[in-house]
Amino acid sequence: NAGVMQNPRHLVRRRGQEARLRCSPMKGHSHVYWYRQLPEEGLKFMVYLQKENIIDESGMPKERFSAEFPKEGPSILRIQQVVRGDSAAYFCASSPELGDGAYEQYFGPGTRLTVT
Amino acid sequence: GIQVEQSPPDLILQEGANSTLRCNFSDSVNNLQWFHQNPWGQLINLFYIPSGTKQNGRLSATTVATERYSLLYISSSQTTDSGVYFCAVEPAGTDKLIFGTGTRLQVFP
Repeated sequence: NAGVMQNPRHLVRRRGQEARLRCSPMKGHSHVYWYRQLPEEGLKFMVYLQKENIIDESGMPKERFSAEFPKEGPSILRIQQVVRGDSAAYFCASSPELGDGAYEQYFGPGTRLTVT
Repeated sequence: GIQVEQSPPDLILQEGANSTLRCNFSDSVNNLQWFHQNPWGQLINLFYIPSGTKQNGRLSATTVATERYSLLYISSSQTTDSGVYFCAVEPAGTDKLIFGTGTRLQVFP
């Protein structure tokens, strides 16, 4: 059973370019979360999505960042006009359909974005 | 918002030693998970433990939700245990994980 997949694993962008990070959840999971880890820090929540819906984007910067999880295909985190401060590891997690309780989140290997 | 504090921040052990890592949180939670981030940056799920005790090989964890803390026990540590250990909690009424500050563990042969 394949885990959460992210690509690319490493991405280098020059200032001002766009970065697109992809995440395919585990089979059977319909909930996706994105987290960012700045160097030498813990992970910080960015956004929580279900298919075609953004449920909670309270951790997303107001400008330049967007996320989607279309009906078909992977979830995409897009960063427009990247700046050096966007350099970080971006992790995606998925969980199964939520019922009455919380469910374990499973994390992908991350995408390491470097802005030069 | 909820505060998640881990102690100690740094831990240096010789191979074979045992250790206990602590995670305190300031409010009610639906979920608590422990992770190991290895030196290559990969995040490995260790335990999903909103309450009670679980064991997996040399690792075990206990969460006392009513007293708002969790403990991770590592026995007979190995050099491959090196890395950063994070606890993360899901505050009641939300669906996002809030990560603690981490404990950096170094195990020497």
